[in-house]
Amino acid sequence: GAGVSQSPSNKVTEKGKDVELRCDPISGHTALYWYRQSLGQGLEFLIYFQGNSAPDKSGLPSDRFSAERTGGSVSTLTIQRTQQEDSAVYLCASSSSGVSEAFFGQGTRLTVV
Amino acid sequence: GESVGLHLPTLSVQEGDNSIINCAYSNSASDYFIWYKQESGKGPQFIIDIRSNMDKRQGQRVTVLLNKTVKHLSLQIAATQPGDSAVYFCAENSDDYKLSFGAGTTVTVRA
Repeated sequence: GAGVSQSPSNKVTEKGKDVELRCDPISGHTALYWYRQSLGQGLEFLIYFQGNSAPDKSGLPSDRFSAERTGGSVSTLTIQRTQQEDSAVYLCASSSSGVSEAFFGQGTRLTVV
Repeated sequence: GESVGLHLPTLSVQEGDNSIINCAYSNSASDYFIWYKQESGKGPQFIIDIRSNMDKRQGQRVTVLLNKTVKHLSLQIAATQPGDSAVYFCAENSDDYKLSFGAGTTVTVRA
């Protein structure tokens, strides 16, 4: 596909379980972003990857959150020992030339029960 | 805390009327602003952007106004259509790439 693809689109997990969220950016895009959107809220920055540079992890809310980007393409956001407050929509975006042209995926809706 | 906020969480507008969505920001170092539209079940979609060296920019049926003196920007939608119903976010950028988003305004278009 031509757009940013995220999977799964919905995920329900039990409290304490680990989850992995996947993002396939647009081919050729060097920048990749993860945001979290809680109900009725704006987007909260989580992490940013740019090429081979060290990622900016300053937005990750706790050490239970981690993300990788393999081969400069696909990214995985991992949440360990999920808590109910982790319930949100997790959005991925990619860009080739700065944040102005960032394209968002449709997000993964995570529900922790 | 957030540095970007919107004045009203909801806006109801008659089809065909013009819509104005407002946003205030607090970081005077912000030099780049974007408006995004988010429809239900979808990711945010870029609408229009403006840099701090401008005070107005026009697109197709949309105009963004920036007032740096009072740290305020607005999005005007002309002749609002049912397809304009969505949540609208303003975002600011004061670092190289990190966008800060407001909570959003839900626009509902009445037929």
